[in-house]
Amino acid sequence: GAGVSQTPSNKVTEKGKYVELRCDPISGHTALYWYRQSLGQGPEFLIYFQGTGAADDSGLPNDRFFAVRPEGSVSTLKIQRTERGDSAVYLCASSKSLGETQYFGPGTRLLVL
Amino acid sequence: QKEVEQNSGPLSVPEGAIASLNCTYSDRGSQSFFWYRQYSGKSPELIMFIYSNGDKEDGRFTAQLNKASQYVSLLIRDSQPSDSATYLCAVNRAAGNKLTFGGGTRVLVKP
Repeated sequence: GAGVSQTPSNKVTEKGKYVELRCDPISGHTALYWYRQSLGQGPEFLIYFQGTGAADDSGLPNDRFFAVRPEGSVSTLKIQRTERGDSAVYLCASSKSLGETQYFGPGTRLLVL
Repeated sequence: QKEVEQNSGPLSVPEGAIASLNCTYSDRGSQSFFWYRQYSGKSPELIMFIYSNGDKEDGRFTAQLNKASQYVSLLIRDSQPSDSATYLCAVNRAAGNKLTFGGGTRVLVKP
């Protein structure tokens, strides 16, 4: 079946702009996770959802970052007033339920100029 | 001290040899352990997971877990050039579900 999909695959924006990154999980997966990966490092946890609610948002770096999952399927990660340090690959993963194996999408490469 | 530590490599192995990758973790509450493979420019792909002490084998891959020593390893037997990638170790607390990743070990398999 289809895997996790993410759009856009690449996003170039200017410092100070607002961006939205979208994640479409594997059908039937109730848990959804966002990670951020900088060059040469492992992915770093941002937030995860079980259904519509954010179960743990402890990894969001500051209040410029926000994520929603209004219908318990697609999720959007929103970044306000982007900074050059936000440049990274943003990875989305989903799992059948909490605690089960996480499967990653292809990522969105964000570049803030 | 990082929560999950891996040697960044590169680990260079000849084709057909065994590649041995190590990972240590600091959180004694960690319950689940994962190895992901990541090709350059691609997303992580799950290779194996292990929950219990001991060895777990899947094809050419063997994961080894020692919770007392807070150590997990991955062996790749009969290494192939297509195994050249970065291997990420990740751990998960039972009570939480976020994965904590190491920085990855880059493996180069030379023909």
